[in-house]
Amino acid sequence: GAGVSQSPRYKVAKRGQDVALRCDPISGHVSLFWYQQALGQGPEFLTYFQNEAQLDKSGLPSDRFFAERPEGSVSTLKIQRTQQEDSAVYLCASSLDSPLNSGNTIYFGEGSWLTVV
Amino acid sequence: GESVGLHLPTLSVQEGDNSIINCAYSNSASDYFIWYKQESGKGPQFIIDIRSNMDKRQGQRVTVLLNKTVKHLSLQIAATQPGDSAVYFCAENWGLGGYGGSQGNLIFGKGTKLSVKP
Repeated sequence: GAGVSQSPRYKVAKRGQDVALRCDPISGHVSLFWYQQALGQGPEFLTYFQNEAQLDKSGLPSDRFFAERPEGSVSTLKIQRTQQEDSAVYLCASSLDSPLNSGNTIYFGEGSWLTVV
Repeated sequence: GESVGLHLPTLSVQEGDNSIINCAYSNSASDYFIWYKQESGKGPQFIIDIRSNMDKRQGQRVTVLLNKTVKHLSLQIAATQPGDSAVYFCAENWGLGGYGGSQGNLIFGKGTKLSVKP
């Protein structure tokens, strides 16, 4: 498709379960981002890739969170031993290049809605 | 810490009226700003952006104004329509033009919910 695609759209996980969220960025986009959005809040930055290189992971809340983009295209966000506070929408976004400017803005996917019970 | 914030959490307007959504930012190093629209159950949708070397930029029915003196950003929507009903976020970024900045780290505000009454 033409946009950023994420799967699954909805995931219910039992506390302690591991989850993996997938992101297919827009074709040809070099930069890929993961954001976390809690209910009623704005998205918060988690991590950023340029091609396969993870250049910034300063937003990952704990070592239970891990992201990869091994071939510079599809990315996976993995959350180990999920906790209730991990419940949120996980948004993936991509941009043609970095740094950001008027020609390289960030386009978001629809998000993966994670509920930990 | 430095953050992006919004003056009004909710805004209700009549269809056909103009809407103005405001945003304050506190990071003087921010040099790129984006407005996003987010409908229920969907991801943020890019509306318009502006660099810090500009004070105004116009799109289709939307205008973004940037006042660096008071660190204020606004989004104006002309002739607001029911389809404009959504939550609107402003976001900031810095390091434009170089790799030493925040790159992909957009800092979002909490959002303003716009409701359009028919």
